This record gives sequence, structure tokens and C-alpha cells, in this order.
Amino acid sequence: QKEVEQDPGPLSVPEGAIVSLNCTYSNSAFQYFMWYRQYSRKGPELLMYTYSSGNKEDGRFTAQVDKSSKYISLFIRDSQPSDSATYLCAMSGGAGGTSYGKLTFGQGTILTVHP
Amino acid sequence: GAVVSQHPSWVICKSGTSVKIECRSLDFQATTMFWYRQFPKQSLMLMATSNEGSKATYEQGVEKDKFLINHASLTLSTLTVTSAHPEDSSFYICSARASRGPTRAQYFGPGTRLLVL
Repeated sequence: QKEVEQDPGPLSVPEGAIVSLNCTYSNSAFQYFMWYRQYSRKGPELLMYTYSSGNKEDGRFTAQVDKSSKYISLFIRDSQPSDSATYLCAMSGGAGGTSYGKLTFGQGTILTVHP
Repeated sequence: GAVVSQHPSWVICKSGTSVKIECRSLDFQATTMFWYRQFPKQSLMLMATSNEGSKATYEQGVEKDKFLINHASLTLSTLTVTSAHPEDSSFYICSARASRGPTRAQYFGPGTRLLVL
């Protein structure tokens, strides 16, 4: 079983839809949670960064972390064609742990927002 | 802020030659940089962790003599693919983590596409 599971999709939605992307994980040492967006043939771009459980909002993006369920989500409101990309969840452990500093990635979800 | 550059963006070389890829943090100091490779439609695979002034730590299965990493300053790390072969063709991406601040996020470069003929 992979440490981080992410449905690869592909996911296709109409413009303006609310998109929900999710990851589950098994390592309880993970404390830092990130979402990256990667366009084709480009490096990943950091979208959201959260520490421990809770919600964080930034513009059209909302990240949720539920450590008790080992489940994280990224919501995209009013999705646009320019949001079409691969979305990667990533996690890291706290100081002193073996996973500290390293990122463990999900497989990535391919999202297409069509006009 | 938090911009990471890579050079070159793409390279084509003959089998047996060596290729050097540079990774620079442009507006912050990075004690730690990471090197990944990514195959089509797959996620990123960590190759090694590079700490300024010390030897790199390689992930299991990554040949350290083939993928030479040097992190000579707080803003520059290089990856040299020695005696490259067609199976080394891939998308190589570096990332950097800021030396200061609470974040543990990594900022990625734009990637280098390597094609070995």
C-alpha cells in the first residue's frame, strides 16, 4: 500500500464548477500538507500549504486537513479552463522524524475544465 | 518570491556523454535542495537530497556515481548525469526549501527535459 493515495482521474468538469480533490495517507507522522499544481512539461507550483488539521482559504482555493481520518482535500471554486492541470498532494513529517523535510507525493489527479 | 530556476530547460545528448543541470534559488537561500525525476504521466520520484556544504543523500536504487550532485552554495545545486544512456532520458526537476521561515514547503524549478540518443 502506498503511503499517499490519490485518485489519478482524469476528472473533467464544466467551467464554473466546484472541484474537489482528495488524498488519503497512512503515515501518522505527516504534519505538513501541500497541494501543488503542475502544468504539462512544467515544474510543480505550490498552491496551498497547511500545518496539521484545519482549513485554509486562498482566493478560489480551500485546503482541508483531517488528521484523525488521514484525509486531505483541495476545493477549487468557480473553476476556469486555466485550472486544467495535474494536481499533486504532498506531505512531510515533523522535526526529528524520518520523513522530516522530504515530501511524499500522491500520484496526481489530472483535471480538465472545459468551457 | 520563492523562485527557483533550472538550466538548461532541455538538452539532447549522445549516449556516453555527461550532462550538467543547474538549479538556483533566485530570491532566497536554500540550505536544502532536492532532485527529482518524473516519467510521463507519473508522479515525482525523489532521487537525492542535497545539503549545502555536505554530501548528498541518495534514495535507495539511485546510483550516486552516475548522478553526481554538488551543492556548493546556498543558492546553487548541480546534478551531473555521467555517461548518460537512453534509459536516463527523463524530466529532471529540482526543488529548494528556504533556510528560514516556518514553511517546510519546497519550491520547484521549471524542470529540465533530457533526451539521450
